[in-house]
Amino acid sequence: RKEVEQDPGPFNVPEGATVAFNCTYSNSASQSFFWYRQDCRKEPKLLMSVYSSGNEDGRFTAQLNRASQYISLLIRDSKLSDSATYLCVVNGRYALNFGKGTSLLVTP
Amino acid sequence: ETGVTQTPRHLVMGMTNKKSLKCEQHLGHNAMYWYKQSAKKPLELMFVYSLEERVENNSVPSRFSPECPNSSHLFLHLHTLQPEDSALYLCASSQDLRTSGSFDEQYFGPGTRLTVT
Repeated sequence: RKEVEQDPGPFNVPEGATVAFNCTYSNSASQSFFWYRQDCRKEPKLLMSVYSSGNEDGRFTAQLNRASQYISLLIRDSKLSDSATYLCVVNGRYALNFGKGTSLLVTP
Repeated sequence: ETGVTQTPRHLVMGMTNKKSLKCEQHLGHNAMYWYKQSAKKPLELMFVYSLEERVENNSVPSRFSPECPNSSHLFLHLHTLQPEDSALYLCASSQDLRTSGSFDEQYFGPGTRLTVT
């Protein structure tokens, strides 16, 4: 089983739509969780950390379900500029493990 | 603009060449990482340095040789590479787990796009 698994997409949504990404992780002892964003041919950048109680940052909401080893990201009111690949990230033994990413394309 | 810089940004090398990739972080971190990103594949962790000590080598072939002379600098020395080594090589830094008590977010450099001919 891969350490971090994501639906690769692509997700094609119109502007203003709400879209949700899901992720599962294999190590029940993991303690740190993040969503990163990666634009085409650029480096990954932190979008938000994911906390046990769930957290929100503007149009973005992250949820963590430790029992199911499941993480989600909800994007409301999608903008054209949200088009990117979203990476689910979970800590490993010495570093962060990255999922393959979910591709999002927001269209006019 | 991130606090992690990488040079060169692009590199084309033959299989018999020797070259080095350089990474520098200006964030006061004490852990540094090399990742490889190939097309259609997730980021692959190659090496981890924590407090200037290598703590992980993820079964990386010996044609890749890392060096961490201090907590701000990280090198990846390359020799006799294969075409399948063509990829984006990303450096990252963070606070070390033992310093911060948890896994902090990692900050990435812009990467070196390597092509092996």
